[in-house]
Amino acid sequence: QSALTQPPSASGSPGQSVTISCTGTSSDVGGYNFVSWYQQHPGKAPKLMIYGVSKRPSGVPDRFSGSKSGNTASLTVSGLQAEDEADYYCSSYAGSSVVFGGGTKLTVL
Amino acid sequence: EVQLVESGGDLVKPGGSLRLSCAASGFTFSDAWMTWVRQAPGKGLEWVGRIKSTRHGGTTDYAAPVKGRFTISRDDSKNTLYLQMNSLKTEDTAVYYCATYDSGSGSPTSWGQGTLVTVSS
Repeated sequence: QSALTQPPSASGSPGQSVTISCTGTSSDVGGYNFVSWYQQHPGKAPKLMIYGVSKRPSGVPDRFSGSKSGNTASLTVSGLQAEDEADYYCSSYAGSSVVFGGGTKLTVL
Repeated sequence: EVQLVESGGDLVKPGGSLRLSCAASGFTFSDAWMTWVRQAPGKGLEWVGRIKSTRHGGTTDYAAPVKGRFTISRDDSKNTLYLQMNSLKTEDTAVYYCATYDSGSGSPTSWGQGTLVTVSS
């Protein structure tokens, strides 16, 4: 199973919106509504931000939203804040396995 | 509150073996599907494998790079998840995280802090 494709970097100024893409295939992203997004700060464990394409766990700000079209999922962070600077990973259910994206480093300018 | 604490990480020579543990609390471990995810230094996340709850058969699935070398097991009486790693390779060097797995969304949800495994001669 190949990794999902994410841009290596993204950036935006405080208050702006930024969107990170995650491209897979019909065997993973396109085949199931089981895409998740994780935030990881340096030296910390990943934190679930979005699951089921667009659902937010309790406690995650509504500035974080997810969507999917075909084989590509997206994470949008609105009203960027300094603490949003982190690595973001997408993942998808792929039958009997889970596949992750390569990660995107989000920089808040 | 879900708590997961991994232990057992160490420096091991290529070809060696190691067993990681993950102590769980704050939820009904016996009902939980669990998963292991690893992260090589400076790299991205890589799924290792998953074990279903005992009620769902306790069956396992593994990523291709570790299949046949790694074994995931659980002891519900001890609320503990295990990862037995055999025939270790240098490319297995990583921080290993255990996490709960939500079968309804196909995603790792709550994560432990990780334990470092270094495979080097």
